Amino acid sequence: NAGVTQTPKFRILKIGQSMTLQCTQDMNHNYMYWYRQDPGMGLKLIYYSVGAGITDKGEVPNGYNVSRSTTEDFPLRLELAAPSQTSVYFCASSFDSTPSNYGYTFGSGTRLTVV
Amino acid sequence: AQTVTQSQPEMSVQEAETVTLSCTYDTSESNYYLFWYKQPPSRQMILVIRQEAYKQQNATENRFSVNFQKAAKSFSLKISDSQLGDTAMYFCAFLRSGGGADGLTFGKGTHLIIQP
Repeated sequence: NAGVTQTPKFRILKIGQSMTLQCTQDMNHNYMYWYRQDPGMGLKLIYYSVGAGITDKGEVPNGYNVSRSTTEDFPLRLELAAPSQTSVYFCASSFDSTPSNYGYTFGSGTRLTVV
Repeated sequence: AQTVTQSQPEMSVQEAETVTLSCTYDTSESNYYLFWYKQPPSRQMILVIRQEAYKQQNATENRFSVNFQKAAKSFSLKISDSQLGDTAMYFCAFLRSGGGADGLTFGKGTHLIIQP
C-alpha cells in the first residue's frame, strides 16, 4: 500500500545547483504528473506523462525536465536552481485519462527552498 | 483553458456548525469532473468528494456534500457537523472528460478553521 512515494521530503539548494526529485508509484498507473504549489496558491502542472517514454509540458515547465523510462518512476530534474523554484512539489498518478472513483493519488510532497 | 475560482481565502466556524465553501469555474467543455481536495498541515492531498458533470444528482460522502449548479458553473462544498479535524486548506479542482493527461486545474484554496 505504498501508493506514490516522493523523496526527499525537504531540501535546501543554493542558486545554480541541480537536483532530482524522485517519484515512484506501485499501482501500475499509466499517467503521472508533477505539480508545484506556491504559498497561498493552488497546484500548477509542471509536466505529465501518459506512459513510459512519453512526456509532455504542463502549465509551468520552464526550468524543469522529466523522464519516464519505466511505468513506476517519474523523476523531476531542476538543472539550475533559482529562487523562483522555491515551492512544494507534488507527484501524482492515475490509471488512465478517466479518474477512478478515488481521483488521483498524490505523494506527500517535497518542500524545496532555493537560497 | 479552464479556470477555477475560490473567492473565500479563509473561513472560520465553530465546531458542530455547518459551513459552505464556494467554487466557480469557467469552461467551454460540456463533460468534465469536479473535485474537492483537503490539504491538512501534513501537506497530504486528500480527495474529499467527486462530481461528474453529466450527473444531475449532487454527490455526498458522509458529512460532505456538494451543490453542483452546471448552468451557473458553481460547485460548492457543504460540511455538516464540522469537526476540529476538518481544519485544513480545501481546493476545488476541474478535470475535463478524457483530459486526464492535462492534469487537474486547481483553485487557490480556502483555509478552513474549525474553532473548538
